[in-house]
Amino acid sequence: SQKIEQNSEALNIQEGKTATLTCNYTNYSPAYLQWYRQDPGRGPVFLLLIRENEKEKRKERLKVTFDTTLKQSLFHITASQPADSATYLCALDRGSSNTGKLIFGQGTTLQVKP
Amino acid sequence: DAGVTQSPTHLIKTRGQQVTLRCSPKSGHDTVSWYQQALGQGPQFIFQYYEEEERQRGNFPDRFSGHQFPNYSSELNVNALLLGDSALYLCASRDRGASYEQYFGPGTRLTVT
Repeated sequence: SQKIEQNSEALNIQEGKTATLTCNYTNYSPAYLQWYRQDPGRGPVFLLLIRENEKEKRKERLKVTFDTTLKQSLFHITASQPADSATYLCALDRGSSNTGKLIFGQGTTLQVKP
Repeated sequence: DAGVTQSPTHLIKTRGQQVTLRCSPKSGHDTVSWYQQALGQGPQFIFQYYEEEERQRGNFPDRFSGHQFPNYSSELNVNALLLGDSALYLCASRDRGASYEQYFGPGTRLTVT
């Protein structure tokens, strides 16, 4: 069956460290993979998109990698801050006629302690 | 520039009733998608509308239906509500011709008792 898995346990790290979140998928061939941030009681906010032919994407303190052989994406936040505490969601888009039909993982909650 | 707006914010309904949720997309966006998010889970795709037609549908029963208006705003209707329909309903919009990222609204919290 098709599955997207993110770290189910919350990730607790110290301020200033790098947070690494994992997204694994099976039985999908995504054309794009997106990462979103969601705060309690609010809608997800888009962070980064990476295409299947890209290995890495960066935006300020954020970095995403995409390994279609391992069927895995890693999301890194460097120099983490307490304000980065939130739930982070990965989402696959299979593209073509399925473009826009995002398939989300369950999310990983990140807690950055001062 | 207003982002995606949804109404109402919260709603309490009884089993068997019907509900209509509303969404206005971000300015310049022509495509609207609806998602259902249960507590502690990621959003699940319900359907996507553009050019006033349903273009894609997720694994949801026919009790879930929608509509898109000429101004790109959209409605989600759920008939014969079940307790399991209690969730956060999210609307997302994008410019189909420009990008793949989706902009989400704050959601409507639906509670079915």
